[in-house]
Order: sequence, then C-alpha cells, then structure tokens
Amino acid sequence: EIVLTQSPGTLSLSPGERATLSCRASQSVSSSYLAWYQQKPGQAPRPLIYGASSRATGIPDRFSGSGSGTDFTLTISRLEPEDFAVYYCQQYGYLPYTFGQGTKLEIK
Amino acid sequence: HVQLQQSGPGLVKPSQTLSLTCAISGDSVSSNSATWNWIRQSPSGGLEWLGRTYYRSKWDNDYALSVRSRITISPDTSKNQFSLQLNSVTPDDTAVYYCVRRNDYNYVFDYWGQGTLVTVSS
Repeated sequence: EIVLTQSPGTLSLSPGERATLSCRASQSVSSSYLAWYQQKPGQAPRPLIYGASSRATGIPDRFSGSGSGTDFTLTISRLEPEDFAVYYCQQYGYLPYTFGQGTKLEIK
Repeated sequence: HVQLQQSGPGLVKPSQTLSLTCAISGDSVSSNSATWNWIRQSPSGGLEWLGRTYYRSKWDNDYALSVRSRITISPDTSKNQFSLQLNSVTPDDTAVYYCVRRNDYNYVFDYWGQGTLVTVSS
C-alpha cells in the first residue's frame, strides 16, 4: 500500500501568516489522485483539494494545492482564525486508499 | 443535498460483531456514479479506509487487507442504505466510524456521516 508521510507534525503560526504543509508518498500517486482534508474537533473531515490542485466546492481561494508524483503541498496563503485545525492528505489512485497521519495547525 | 445518517451501538464486547448502518438521502446506494465507503479514525487520530460497496451493472466490494477476513459491507436497496459488519472485534477496533460517499466526478470523499464512536470493551 502507499504510505503517506506528512510534515511537520505540528505547525504553529499566527493569523495572517502563510502555512505550507507537506505530504510525501512512498510511491508515485496515480494521475495526481491526491486530496487534502481539514478536520476540526468533533467534526468529520471536510474535503479541501482534489486532483492535487483543484479546490473542492465552497473552498476559499486562500487554499491551494500543488505537486505531483510523490511530493505534494497544501498552502494557505493568509491564515484566518477558522483555519486552525488538523489537515490530512489522502491518495485515492490505488486501493487501499490511504491517509497521511495529519498535520496539526495551531495558533502561535 | 446528500446526507448520510449513521446508526448503531456505541459499545461492543470483545469477540462480538460491530454493526453500523448508514441511511442515504439525496442520492441512491444503487448510483452508477458513486461508491459507498466506511472509514474509521483511531483515538490517536489516524484515518483508515476499511472498504466500499458500489453498483456498476452488478454489486461489488473492496476491502482493506487489514480487516478483509472480518468485514462485510452490504447495500440495502429497499431502504437506500448500506451497512458495516466487523466480526471478532478487539479493543484495537475502538474508533470513530464514518460512512462516506465518494463521487465519480472528481473522486473526492465528499459527504461524510456524523461519525459513531464505537468502544470495544467488556
């Protein structure tokens, strides 16, 4: 199975700053079938990005995704207070679908 | 607007069977453009895809290797829902279980149930 490794484990930033989250795959992800999800306490994950770089419905344009092959990045251009949460990457090109272990984005 | 409503017990004894149901509104379990999945999240936060059911001229399933010998995911077209059964549970199966739709437009897991915390304990 494809193992996804996210870094850093925790990212401490202030509102207004730029956040860069990384996701590395153990083998190439088919056709950029890589998604990013945001999860807040007590809630289900919410899709942000699919196909490595396309925003899901209703996601503001401060969220962007990039990358291909084995290296992917989620960038939040200017952090809003509601962006502090846990972020997961997921590959859906090969079964079993797998997730990274998550990056916690916390307020500095 | 798609909604997934989960039901089932929150406490299961070791060696017994975990059973959860996911009722679908706003879509059909028989849709040719969606798959219906179960995902769980451990107390430490890790997300694990367990399996799926879907209809493409016939019903089919795929399961994660880690649970393949113990899991059944099945549709109920009369009630427009699908279910999860996990046999011979242990405390390691303690998790929040989610039912999730994956659409065939962009392949995103776009609609999630509310989650059910299932604790395996005697």
